[in-house]
Amino acid sequence: TQLLEQSPQFLSIQEGENLTVYCNSSSVFSSLQWYRQEPGEGPVLLVTVVTGGEVKKLKRLTFQFGDARKDSSLHITAAQPGDTGLYLCAGGTNAGKSTFGDGTTLTVKP
Amino acid sequence: KAGVTQTPRYLIKTRGQQVTLSCSPISGHRSVSWYQQTPGQGLQFLFEYFSETQRNKGNFPGRFSGRQFSNSRSEMNVSTLELGDSALYLCASSLDRVRTFGSGTRLTVV
Repeated sequence: TQLLEQSPQFLSIQEGENLTVYCNSSSVFSSLQWYRQEPGEGPVLLVTVVTGGEVKKLKRLTFQFGDARKDSSLHITAAQPGDTGLYLCAGGTNAGKSTFGDGTTLTVKP
Repeated sequence: KAGVTQTPRYLIKTRGQQVTLSCSPISGHRSVSWYQQTPGQGLQFLFEYFSETQRNKGNFPGRFSGRQFSNSRSEMNVSTLELGDSALYLCASSLDRVRTFGSGTRLTVV
């Protein structure tokens, strides 16, 4: 069974601060996705990374896939209250299966 | 372009009953997957259907079943409901590794 561990589990910061969320596994994934989920809604895909060492930027969000494709990080610069939500990582395999991490609950206070 | 539609949004059932949840994918998406999300276990994969065939299955008991119709709409059924089945059930339709989730069905078993 492939497991994905996310850290920290909870994060509460002030508007304008920077933060990094981690997603780690002992397994290799062919792809890794990050989602944000708001209360009462389904997760929304933010990014997909497929190449070891790949870095993708989405406005103030920077995603990195580890060289060995076992881990990933999400860095948010100058966090805003609108960034509040549950951040989930999901690792995919070539067989088409996905494993989700338990998520990081981020609260950004104005 | 309509998103993924799940019905009903909320449901309350009694232990021992059975329930059927519905998911209409995005037009053109032939892959539909189902997930159970609970505070304790996170987001767990139930099964995936593609062109009316179950392509992948998670580690859930046989009380959980699903099917997909020729128009790609999918249903999942849970028989002999238990209190622990209370959860948010999410459906996602996929195209080219892009997974789009619905808003989910919140099932409460009393």
